[in-house]
Amino acid sequence: GAGVSQSPRYKVAKRGQDVALRCDPISGHVSLFWYQQALGQGPEFLTYFQNEAQLDKSGLPSDRFFAERPEGSVSTLKIQRTQQEDSAVYLCASSTQGAGIINTEAFFGQGTRLTVV
Amino acid sequence: AQSVTQLGSHVSVSEGALVLLRCNYSSSVPPYLFWYVQYPNQGLQLLLKYTTGATLVKGINGFEAEFKKSETSFHLTKPSAHMSDAAEYFCAVTPGGYQKVTFGTGTKLQVIP
Repeated sequence: GAGVSQSPRYKVAKRGQDVALRCDPISGHVSLFWYQQALGQGPEFLTYFQNEAQLDKSGLPSDRFFAERPEGSVSTLKIQRTQQEDSAVYLCASSTQGAGIINTEAFFGQGTRLTVV
Repeated sequence: AQSVTQLGSHVSVSEGALVLLRCNYSSSVPPYLFWYVQYPNQGLQLLLKYTTGATLVKGINGFEAEFKKSETSFHLTKPSAHMSDAAEYFCAVTPGGYQKVTFGTGTKLQVIP
């Protein structure tokens, strides 16, 4: 596609429910990033994939958060047993090279706004 | 470890006036610095970046930023504000390589006609 696509755009979940957020990166992009953006805050790094390999998951806030990219293209961020503090916009970004965003631009999707009630 | 401080969560300027958005960083190694813009309900878009070389960096839409190591600053400027510049702006830093990027808390720019 023309850009990074994320779905759904909006998700309302009841506390305790599991959710899955999808990211379709730009075709051919090697690197994929997930960020969490709480209201009034800047994005915070969650995890990074190079192709299908998850090279850094140090930003995942708890073991309720899980991300995968099994075929090196589409990625899914799963949150189990959602809690109110998980409410945020989840941003996905992709770039062409394994070097990440230093020498190439990372393109961001519009994000998924998750509201846990 | 690295961090970014953006001074002023909201900045208002008149159309045609100078835009100055402040960013100070902390990094234990020479940093790579970025400015991103976010329009309502949109993803982040890269405005400009500093990696190495010339310390004055020009970006899209007439924006530029100057890396000042002695002041640990990377302020964003534009000589003349346009209504379409109204958005939220994020300064970001990374120590290099792929490394995860640390964003500031953002500055919302309002342009008054």
